[in-house]
Amino acid sequence: EAGVVQSPRYKIIEKKQPVAFWCNPISGHNTLYWYRQNLGQGPELLIRYENEEAVDDSQLPKDRFSAERLKGVDSTLKIQPAELGDSAVYLCASTGVSNEQFFGPGTRLTVL
Amino acid sequence: AQTVTQSQPEMSVQEAETVTLSCTYDTSESDYYLFWYKQPPSRQMILVIRQEAYKQQNATENRFSVNFQKAAKSFSLKISDSQLGDAAMYFCAYLSGGSNYKLTFGKGTLLTVNP
Repeated sequence: EAGVVQSPRYKIIEKKQPVAFWCNPISGHNTLYWYRQNLGQGPELLIRYENEEAVDDSQLPKDRFSAERLKGVDSTLKIQPAELGDSAVYLCASTGVSNEQFFGPGTRLTVL
Repeated sequence: AQTVTQSQPEMSVQEAETVTLSCTYDTSESDYYLFWYKQPPSRQMILVIRQEAYKQQNATENRFSVNFQKAAKSFSLKISDSQLGDAAMYFCAYLSGGSNYKLTFGKGTLLTVNP
């Protein structure tokens, strides 16, 4: 069974530029999560999807962050414009019938 | 809101020895789940072990076991016969038993295994 796939693995951009991250969850997993992990910290939830519906986006900074999961499968997280403080690892996770979350390898974003 | 505290930023252990990582949490809920995740330098979060709050028996997975003290809100991880591949960041995490599937993580403990 393939795991959660994320791309790119690394991204370096200059501040004020846009950036997008892509996630493909495990096949059949209806719930998808985006987390942000700052250096030396645990992951923090940004948004949770149930199929194509965003059911918890309370921690998503909506002025510059957006996400979509149009067909209820893969998802894209976008930042526009990026700021220096957005440098972090962005993790995607998914769950199926159990509540165990399976994580992808993450995208390490560096904003210069 | 739930909080998870890992009071040991770093721990080290000799290969083949035993080490215990500490975790405490704060919640007013009675139905919840607790997890230990391992994150090696590759950044992939890997589930090590899970515990349902309604179960009194401590979970065990091969060399990994937990000491779950519900009244004290403590959830420590014991790694026996430590191996070099156990070196990683270890995160304790809390999940509400309701329909909110938000995982709350601690800040992590960096485990070093010395040969």
